[in-house]
Amino acid sequence: NAGVTQTPKFRVLKTGQSMTLLCAQDMNHEYMYWYRQDPGMGLRLIHYSVGEGTTAKGEVPDGYNVSRLKKQNFLLGLESAAPSQTSVYFCASSYPKIGSPLHFGNGTRLTVT
Amino acid sequence: RKEVEQDPGPFNVPEGATVAFNCTYSNSASQSFFWYRQDCRKEPKLLMSVYSSGNEDGRFTAQLNRASQYISLLIRDSKLSDSATYLCVVSAGKSTFGDGTTLTVKP
Repeated sequence: NAGVTQTPKFRVLKTGQSMTLLCAQDMNHEYMYWYRQDPGMGLRLIHYSVGEGTTAKGEVPDGYNVSRLKKQNFLLGLESAAPSQTSVYFCASSYPKIGSPLHFGNGTRLTVT
Repeated sequence: RKEVEQDPGPFNVPEGATVAFNCTYSNSASQSFFWYRQDCRKEPKLLMSVYSSGNEDGRFTAQLNRASQYISLLIRDSKLSDSATYLCVVSAGKSTFGDGTTLTVKP
């Protein structure tokens, strides 16, 4: 039972480069989320999706784009990476029911130099 | 003011101690409440949901006070393996995380 899988686990980018983080879940969850976590801080919501084909902005969406073409996948894109985007990125998914907890992937550690 | 506030700690306690963490939230429309545990910047893992009547899971007890918009987590008989960061999570549709409280249990 894989749960939520994130790829890659680590990545180093140079300023201005682009990349896509992939999140896949096999729990048939409707909702999916992308968070970032910086040292000493809690998780901040970047973008989220409440279903296939729909996305919405979270707390810190600038510099990121997302797509949810398939229910099981949620992609996070950085078009032009900046050092301020150095962080640990977590994907999560959940059922839409009130009280349903989030299930997290293992995270992607991204460094932008 | 942050939507979800936690005492950052750190809390340093000896094995066997009882420790309590508090969390306050500002959104009165919040409907779901959780405590997560996070180890060394790994992914957060659900510790327990928090129900209005309070709930217990072994050495862990969670309480919710909707009137005061306050959540607590009590850990009894602390173990070395309880050392981690504990995240308070409040949801009114979207989940909002506190910054976490760090606990270190020492021999």
